[in-house]
Amino acid sequence: GESVGLHLPTLSVQEGDNSIINCAYSNSASDYFIWYKQESGKGPQFIIDIRSNMDKRQGQRVTVLLNKTVKHLSLQIAATQPGDSAVYFCAENAAGAAGNKLTFGGGTRVLVKP
Amino acid sequence: DAGITQSPRYKITETGRQVTLMCHQTWSHSYMFWYRQDLGHGLRLIYYSAAADITDKGEVPDGYVVSRSKTENFPLTLESATRSQTSVYFCASSELLQGGSEKLFFGSGTQLSVL
Repeated sequence: GESVGLHLPTLSVQEGDNSIINCAYSNSASDYFIWYKQESGKGPQFIIDIRSNMDKRQGQRVTVLLNKTVKHLSLQIAATQPGDSAVYFCAENAAGAAGNKLTFGGGTRVLVKP
Repeated sequence: DAGITQSPRYKITETGRQVTLMCHQTWSHSYMFWYRQDLGHGLRLIYYSAAADITDKGEVPDGYVVSRSKTENFPLTLESATRSQTSVYFCASSELLQGGSEKLFFGSGTQLSVL
């Protein structure tokens, strides 16, 4: 994922609308990607993952899309709820990377308006 | 409850003091990690461990020491705390699954303030 500098990007969304969170990655060797959700005062929580041999993967109310051509990852949340308010991180791992390590992006804050 | 636990939840210390943050996991995961989280920098890897007695540096290891004498524990020590080490620290664990997925499970974090 990319560093987003000092300011955390914020996405404001109306309750019930769909949310789309974007993430650009830089390592073309990355073959595994994860989205995490972090609520205030808590540790990051796994949402969904995808391997590079897939373009799309769906979970419960969430969909991850992977575009390897432009090295772009997105998380779509359907019918956004107040409980979806959090910071969302993408993370990537490169095949053969030592230590089973993930590299995290800077995060996007999602604010759900009632 | 099974999972990954960190202690203490909050810690205030003074510059120059030694501080140890504890991490314990009950899944018998092989891999354990320490991250620090700072505004504007996201999550940065400090140290990680692939198994007991195997540790390696991450992105920002300076000023930190780790050990892994038992699979379930991965303490992080700040040998001489500095103000720049004021941060939220997260421990995580994972198991390398067949096919190479590396889903990390995180603890609740330790908020450390160095005065």
